Amino acid sequence: GQNIDQPTEMTATEGAIVQINCTYQTSGFNGLFWYQQHAGEAPTFLSYNVLDGLEEKGRFSSFLSRSKGYSYLLLKELQMKDSASYLCVVMDSNYQLIWGAGTKLIIKP
Amino acid sequence: GAVVSQHPSWVICKSGTSVKIECRSLDFQATTMFWYRQFPKQSLMLMATSNEGSKATYEQGVEKDKFLINHASLTLSTLTVTSAHPEDSSFYICSARDLTGNSEQFFGPGTRLTVL
Repeated sequence: GQNIDQPTEMTATEGAIVQINCTYQTSGFNGLFWYQQHAGEAPTFLSYNVLDGLEEKGRFSSFLSRSKGYSYLLLKELQMKDSASYLCVVMDSNYQLIWGAGTKLIIKP
Repeated sequence: GAVVSQHPSWVICKSGTSVKIECRSLDFQATTMFWYRQFPKQSLMLMATSNEGSKATYEQGVEKDKFLINHASLTLSTLTVTSAHPEDSSFYICSARDLTGNSEQFFGPGTRLTVL
């Protein structure tokens, strides 16, 4: 079966750095997305990785290792507004989106 | 966790034809279902919100006569793209929220529509 694992909840301090891990087993691979979702709102696109390596975009970076079926989202200089759920999503060989359950990130002052 | 399915997973159609996409909540009852479309590497764009037994609420800029939504039961919502054109080619994703009113949404796998 297809599966995406990410922690259910994480807590971090304002100004700190947090890494949210995601591991996946899917039927083929056509890219991995990270989305941010605030409660009651639609998910917002953060990043897309299809090749191995690190993609940096401002305070957010995303890393992919296809051989390990592993990705992480790194958030630096955390702000209170970063409190949200972070969704790891993999597109399989049929271009279907496999959604992770999301990691609820709680930022404390 | 809760499962949402979509059918078909992909469809290719000729310009001018209509296409129906189904969204089902498999192990829970969904009072509210959401329809999104996604262009490559972009965020999901909410098209409409449908509540069981009532008319869908469309987002600004989405033509309700072109994108017909029916939410006839607590486990099924359908999106019909009428008179499809190539610019309607996109990834259509539904999500569902359960009866408890929990804000958590469960997403379907998406339907890739290609209009020739």
